[in-house]
Amino acid sequence: DGGITQSPKYLFRKEGQNVTLSCEQNLNHDAMYWYRQDPGQGLRLIYYSQIVNDFQKGDIAEGYSVSREKKESFPLTVTSAQKNPTAFYLCASRQRQGGFTEAFFGQGTRLTVV
Amino acid sequence: GDSVTQMEGPVTLSEEAFLTINCTYTATGYPSLFWYVQYPGEGLQLLLKATKADDKGSNKGFEATYRKETTSFHLEKGSVQVSDSAVYFCALSPPSGNTPLVFGKGTRLSVIA
Repeated sequence: DGGITQSPKYLFRKEGQNVTLSCEQNLNHDAMYWYRQDPGQGLRLIYYSQIVNDFQKGDIAEGYSVSREKKESFPLTVTSAQKNPTAFYLCASRQRQGGFTEAFFGQGTRLTVV
Repeated sequence: GDSVTQMEGPVTLSEEAFLTINCTYTATGYPSLFWYVQYPGEGLQLLLKATKADDKGSNKGFEATYRKETTSFHLEKGSVQVSDSAVYFCALSPPSGNTPLVFGKGTRLSVIA
């Protein structure tokens, strides 16, 4: 069954710690994305990758890092430099070819700083 | 740059009422347009899409028509149910396809019995 899997669903982080959110897709999509969603807010783009071993900053990349070593995986690290990391994080993927493909989303990871 | 503007919520309706959520966009060329739905604590799900002018996307009783002349893609449903309570996002994909989707800020819909 094809889709995007994010793990864990809930994550707690102590201040000063780095944490890594996992995102795996088996849709054979070229492009992958990370978004942040705060309560009652829309989506803000953190990073995206359109091909293996390449990625670009989105609108709010500061305090985050990513890697794209494999087509199916796009992990997001929330570093200690991110001052307010508590949020809902969404991963998405889509086909890069052509301009008309929709994005598919994972179920999200809720990160809380304790 | 490309942008999407959708009506602010929250929108509260009684069951079986008619729903309209307005969405307008700014883009060069002919983008593809989408409506996504997000239920509490979940990711976004594609609700419907349209890829060219005058196309009508439809799914689960929801409809939206791609209007190039008014740069709009309004979401409608003739009779809402309590289970339609969610946040709805309008989005566009620029024609090049090599840039991320552009999302509106979302509209929260609450349907009461």
